[in-house]
Amino acid sequence: DGGITQSPKYLFRKEGQNVTLSCEQNLNHDAMYWYRQDPGQGLRLIYYSQIVNDFQKGDIAEGYSVSREKKESFPLTVTSAQKNPTAFYLCASSIDPTTGYGYTFGSGTRLTVV
Amino acid sequence: QKEVEQNSGPLSVPEGAIASLNCTYSDRVSQSFFWYRQYSGKSPELIMSIYSNGDKEDGRFTAQLNKASQYVSLLIRDSQPSDSATYLCAVDNTGGYNKLIFGAGTRLAVHP
Repeated sequence: DGGITQSPKYLFRKEGQNVTLSCEQNLNHDAMYWYRQDPGQGLRLIYYSQIVNDFQKGDIAEGYSVSREKKESFPLTVTSAQKNPTAFYLCASSIDPTTGYGYTFGSGTRLTVV
Repeated sequence: QKEVEQNSGPLSVPEGAIASLNCTYSDRVSQSFFWYRQYSGKSPELIMSIYSNGDKEDGRFTAQLNKASQYVSLLIRDSQPSDSATYLCAVDNTGGYNKLIFGAGTRLAVHP
């Protein structure tokens, strides 16, 4: 079945550590996105990519980095520069990067600082 | 600042009633509007999309769009306890790229 796979489901990060969240899709979608969700808040865009080897910063990119070397994969690294990384991270994809298409979401990764 | 606003709720309705969820947006030229359902601890699931003024029905769900007033709503008829979830309104960013801006969501509680 086609879909988006995020891993791991739960992740614990120590202070000063970089961690990478995986996102893989087999939907043949061009566009991929990373959002962060905090309790009681909407989804906030971290990074997005409309095509392989290209990506743009979203509204809250500081402390995060991404790569898009393959169409299927869009990993997110949470660096030590992100001072408050505890949140629910959602990866999404869309069949077309132009306006008008909804997203398909992965199941999410819950990141906690310990 | 482009914004999407929703009443956080909780909106409590009895089983079998109509639940009405509302959303307003600030960017007048937005073209695409979406409703997502999110159960606690899960990822959002697309339930409705609407692009033109008026109503769009899909089963028990009806989305309503009024671009002049910049609001979009979701009606859920014959509400069931399984409809209890947070409903997120999302609006495209109008920049020619498919970037959705999400509201904070309205929590719906359907009680038997």
